[in-house]
Amino acid sequence: ETGVTQTPRHLVMGMTNKKSLKCEQHLGHNAMYWYKQSAKKPLELMFVYNFKEQTENNSVPSRFSPECPNSSHLFLHLHTLQPEDSALYLCASSQVKTGGAQTQYFGPGTRLTVL
Amino acid sequence: GQSLEQPSEVTAVEGAIVQINCTYQTSGFYGLSWYQQHDGGAPTFLSYNALDGLEETGRFSSFLSRSDSYGYLLLQELQMKDSASYFCAVRGQNTGGFKTIFGAGTRLFVKA
Repeated sequence: ETGVTQTPRHLVMGMTNKKSLKCEQHLGHNAMYWYKQSAKKPLELMFVYNFKEQTENNSVPSRFSPECPNSSHLFLHLHTLQPEDSALYLCASSQVKTGGAQTQYFGPGTRLTVL
Repeated sequence: GQSLEQPSEVTAVEGAIVQINCTYQTSGFYGLSWYQQHDGGAPTFLSYNALDGLEETGRFSSFLSRSDSYGYLLLQELQMKDSASYFCAVRGQNTGGFKTIFGAGTRLFVKA
């Protein structure tokens, strides 16, 4: 699926580093999402942006900071992470429709390892 | 708070029908979604129910009963490629805004 791209695909960082994950969608959608998927844990929705406005923040620690400069780009800024933050970070986008299903299209994910 | 329960594993044979149940607890229910994820792949959105009843999309159908806080995903004419993990997700709304949580996933094994 090339509609949603994520960079980098793999990232290894130390606990004192600052890094950013990037997501770009080429589908003309108006909503974007960050998810975290850890081994042996349920998928976690982290942040939701509709029309560049953050509409959902699922109690995510402040060491994760999202940024949505426009409807096509979404960033996740990382700083002072912990080893337990190692996971697959997935980006998705959808076209928001009132009251209707919102098919989400996922990117391939960024595999993050925190040392 | 919010919680979801779904079976951890289901096994069925090719060509059969399988139902994966999901019970949830949430305030301000907004909708129930289903996702499929193959090993090593990203999740794929399957369906969304906001109102009671059955939504059909090809071989897959999803059902919701808001009064019972219950939904299920029905897969018909099972194929080997349907072997994957299936997640339900509930979105609720309270004074703090929208919150979405996912179930732990049901691993479906389709046997020949």
